[in-house]
Amino acid sequence: QKEVEQNSGPLSVPEGAIASLNCTYSDRVSQSFFWYRQYSGKSPELIMSIYSNGDKEDGRFTAQLNKASQYVSLLIRDSQPSDSATYLCAVNNDSNSGYALNFGKGTSLLVTP
Amino acid sequence: DTAVSQTPKYLVTQMGNDKSIKCEQNLGHDTMYWYKQDSKKFLKIMFSYNNKELIINETVPNRFSPKSPDKAHLNLHINSLELGDSAVYFCASSQAGRSSYNEQFFGPGTRLTVL
Repeated sequence: QKEVEQNSGPLSVPEGAIASLNCTYSDRVSQSFFWYRQYSGKSPELIMSIYSNGDKEDGRFTAQLNKASQYVSLLIRDSQPSDSATYLCAVNNDSNSGYALNFGKGTSLLVTP
Repeated sequence: DTAVSQTPKYLVTQMGNDKSIKCEQNLGHDTMYWYKQDSKKFLKIMFSYNNKELIINETVPNRFSPKSPDKAHLNLHINSLELGDSAVYFCASSQAGRSSYNEQFFGPGTRLTVL
């Protein structure tokens, strides 16, 4: 069973702080990693994708990947109340699994004003 | 607008009925998916459909059947609905395969309630 693990939270951070979200995965052959944001009652929205070890920055978001440790994280700088949502970590499967994504159970983030 | 769309947004029905959910994508993607999100918000793959090849998650009951009339559409038909089928169903699409990173984009979801 290919597992994707996330701390369910809630993670509470004050406005303007850095929010750090973590994810571990069990399948060593995974190649693609994604972070989705899901507001209550809405669909998952892709916010970051990362494929190589190291950091990838996009605006206030930085994704970090360490394949040796099977670990991927998302940093949100200057957190805003509008960032309050559930963040889903997803890991790609190969063609044998129809390219489906394995999702973690999500981390709930609350940014307090 | 380029997007993944689903209809209906809400579906309330009685146990034992048969229902369908429709999905369309105009992103030109070659692979479409159905995911189920349960009451605990866990998102799990049900089916993926790529170039007429269907990959089924082995845990999905055979009461669920996807139908794809063309690359842009993947509908979900459910027979003999049960209480436990109540969930939010999301359609997604991507450009999958070796040359692609398989970024998946989701439709708005269909909230199914079985009474």
